[in-house]
Amino acid sequence: EAGVTQFPSHSVIEKGQTVTLRCDPISGHDNLYWYRRVMGKEIKFLLHFVKESKQDESGMPNNRFLAERTGGTYSTLKVQPAELEDSGVYFCASSSGTLRHTEAFFGQGTRLTVV
Amino acid sequence: AQSVTQLDSHVSVSEGTPVLLRCNYSSSYSPSLFWYVQHPNKGLQLLLKYTSAATLVKGINGFEAEFKKSETSFHLTKPSAHMSDAAEYFCAIYTGTASKLTFGTGTRLQVTL
Repeated sequence: EAGVTQFPSHSVIEKGQTVTLRCDPISGHDNLYWYRRVMGKEIKFLLHFVKESKQDESGMPNNRFLAERTGGTYSTLKVQPAELEDSGVYFCASSSGTLRHTEAFFGQGTRLTVV
Repeated sequence: AQSVTQLDSHVSVSEGTPVLLRCNYSSSYSPSLFWYVQHPNKGLQLLLKYTSAATLVKGINGFEAEFKKSETSFHLTKPSAHMSDAAEYFCAIYTGTASKLTFGTGTRLQVTL
C-alpha cells in the first residue's frame, strides 16, 4: 500500500514568487492534514480537510496561503507571494478516521526555502 | 488549550545504554498522547500512542512510554539503545476538542559507540 506522498521534496524560490505543494494521501483516507515546521521549532498544524471540505483552518498563517482538495483526493497548498518566513518543512498527513481512534500517516515533507 | 513540552532538545547515549526522552503535557480534557520518530529524509512514523487504556504503552522497536496523570508526563524509554535509534523524536497530544495534533519541539537522539 502506498503511503502519503508529497511533491516536491525540496523547493527553493525567491521572495515574491508562488509555490504549490502537493499531497497525495493514502487511498480511501477522508482526513487530510497540513502541518509546518519552521527551523528548529515545533511542528504546527495548518489545516484539516474532511473529504473536500475544510474542517479546521485555524492554523493557516495568513491569506497568502491557500489549500484546496478538489474531489476529496489529493490536496495542494499554494503560497502566493512567498515571504522569507515561509521557509520550513511542510508535512501532509492522512487518516481514515478521528485521531483518537486511527493513526495519522505522514509524508516525508516538502522542504521550502524562500531566498 | 492543549500543549506538550519536550524537556530536552538533544539527548546523547551510548549504544546499549537506556534511553529516556521526556515529555510533559497540559490539557483540560482527557488526552491522547503520541510519540513519533523522524529519521533523516523520512516522514514521521508513529512509535506508540496512549488513549486512556493501559497507562504503560508498548510501541515498535522496543520503545515504551508510561502515562502518569499525577505528573502530567508521558516519557519515552527504551532499555538498550541501538545505533538505528538515532533520529528526532516528537511528543504530541490530541484531546478531541480540536481536529489536530499538537506537537512538541522535538528531541534529537544521538547514539554513540
